[in-house]
Amino acid sequence: EDQVTQSPEALRLQEGESSSLNCSYTVSGLRGLFWYRQDPGKGPEFLFTLYSAGEEKEKERLKATLTKKESFLHITAPKPEDSATYLCAVQARGGNKLTFGGGTRVLVKP
Amino acid sequence: GAVVSQHPSWVICKSGTSVKIECRSLDFQATTMFWYRQFPKQSLMLMATSNEGSKATYEQGVEKDKFLINHASLTLSTLTVTSAHPEDSSFYICSAREPGTSYEQYFGPGTRLTVT
Repeated sequence: EDQVTQSPEALRLQEGESSSLNCSYTVSGLRGLFWYRQDPGKGPEFLFTLYSAGEEKEKERLKATLTKKESFLHITAPKPEDSATYLCAVQARGGNKLTFGGGTRVLVKP
Repeated sequence: GAVVSQHPSWVICKSGTSVKIECRSLDFQATTMFWYRQFPKQSLMLMATSNEGSKATYEQGVEKDKFLINHASLTLSTLTVTSAHPEDSSFYICSAREPGTSYEQYFGPGTRLTVT
């Protein structure tokens, strides 16, 4: 059974204080690992897809990396508007299903 | 990215009644859509996979007679919660995958269901 574990559960940062979120996964053949951002009361917003170990993707202050067992989402010099819950999900080869982790709630204080 | 809408954004219904939630892909055709449920401060749990023109595939533990899914066209899937009870109150979110070589799913804004 595919499993995804995210840590920490919650993260409080000062504006400008860079940090990393962890997503550990086990999957029977990885098709893709996905990062989403979710604001309260809204649906998840797609951020990145990573397909193979060593791959990196960047978007503004966010950078996602992937190894064979985990992925990191690095937030560089965060701003208050980066406050959200960040979700990690994996999809196994041969299937459509996304398995989500519990998410990391990030609060960036000015 | 692809745009997915949901209607209504929130609904309040009385116990024992049924409520229908619509999920539309606005700028692409989706042969497959997905329905999730999310409880407060918890992650998304897949309820079922909706396939255009065929029966939905439900996840283990999800009552298919209670959560009726219809995917009648390439841009519309509906979830009907039948004989709703207070424990069905939750945030329901749909997603769709844009056909092609990418595998990411795009999510709708969600529907908050409250059963009184």
